This record gives sequence, C-alpha cells and structure tokens, in this order.
Amino acid sequence: DAGVIQSPRHEVTEMGQEVTLRCKPISGHDYLFWYRQTMMRGLELLIYFNNNVPIDDSGMPEDRFSAKMPNASFSTLKIQPSEPRDSAVYFCASSFRTGWSSPLHFGNGTRLTVT
Amino acid sequence: AQSVTQLDSQVPVFEEAPVELRCNYSSSVSVYLFWYVQYPNQGLQLLLKYLSGSTLVKGINGFEAEFNKSQTSFHLRKPSVHISDTAEYFCAVSNTGGGNKLTFGTGTQLKVEL
Repeated sequence: DAGVIQSPRHEVTEMGQEVTLRCKPISGHDYLFWYRQTMMRGLELLIYFNNNVPIDDSGMPEDRFSAKMPNASFSTLKIQPSEPRDSAVYFCASSFRTGWSSPLHFGNGTRLTVT
Repeated sequence: AQSVTQLDSQVPVFEEAPVELRCNYSSSVSVYLFWYVQYPNQGLQLLLKYLSGSTLVKGINGFEAEFNKSQTSFHLRKPSVHISDTAEYFCAVSNTGGGNKLTFGTGTQLKVEL
C-alpha cells in the first residue's frame, strides 16, 4: 500500500492567493482527517470526514478554510484568501471504520508558506 | 473534553542510555492512549496504543509504555536508545465513547547523542 498521499509537498504563495491541498487516503479507510502543525499551536485537528461526510469542522479556523471529500479516494483543503499566519505543515490522515481505537495513518504533509 | 500534557519539550540523552518521555492526560471518561513518532519531514507514525487489558504495552522499535490510571499517566520508555530514535514523540488520547477524535500533546523532541 502506498500510504496516505499528499500533494504538493511544498507550497509557497503570496498573501491573498488561493491554495488547494490534496489528499488521497489509504484504500478502504472510512475516516479522513486534516491536521495543521505549527510550532506555536502544535497539532490541531481542523476537520474530519466519515464515509465522505464532514463530521466535525469545529477546528476550521475561519471561513477562509474549506474542505471537501467528493469521493472515498480524494479530499481537498482550500484556503481562500491565504494569509501569512496560515503558514504551517498540513497533514492528512486516514483510519479504518473502527474509528476510535484505530490508529491514524498520516501522509508526509504539505509545508505551506504564505508570504 | 480530554487533554494531554507532555511536560518535557526536549529530552537529550546519550546513545545506549535509557529514556522516559512523560505523558499525563485528563478526561472525565475512559480513554484510549497512543504514542506517535514523527521523524523529520515526515508524518506521524503509531508507536503503540493502549485500549484495554494489560497496562504495559509494547510497541515498535523497542519502546513500551505503562498506563497508570491512578496517576493518569502513560509514560513512554526505552531501555537503550539509538541515534535513529532521534525524533519528536507525541502522546495522544481519545475517549472511548466518541468518534475517532484524537487530542495530541505538544510533543517531546528526543535527541540522542553519541
């Protein structure tokens, strides 16, 4: 299995631009998570999906952030417009349907820099 | 709501020495506990997990952790570390009743020196 695949690995953009991060979860996993990692805040859960349906988006910082999961094999996290404080590493993770006891499988992350 | 505290942000240790990374949690309900490791420029990987049963849990790479309910702790240990263990280690907790929503600690950077 190729694991969770994220693209791009690095993204540098200017303030005000739209940014789209992509994720392909492990085949057969029913849960998908988006996390953000910064030095100041550590790992923050932004949103998670179960069977392609958003379950909890309470961690999404503001309306500039949106996430979609059009099918079981693809998800996007979009920031529009981007701001310098959005600079962070964004991780996608997936897990099996057993949910609460299943380990998360993380992708290698997208390092976003907004100038 | 649950929370996790990792008191040590950095732990330097010499190769072949033992190490303990501390983790304390707070929750009003029963919990599941996890340790993840993050190597540079990579995502997190599961080291070990406690769901129920024996309080001593063994994981990959020679690590183990002990669940102590009375002290609400889940400390990670390794009797002899290697240079390759240099990484950041995260303790995480989820409650047994809810969805798969993990709360992570702030991480402990383990630096193994020669």
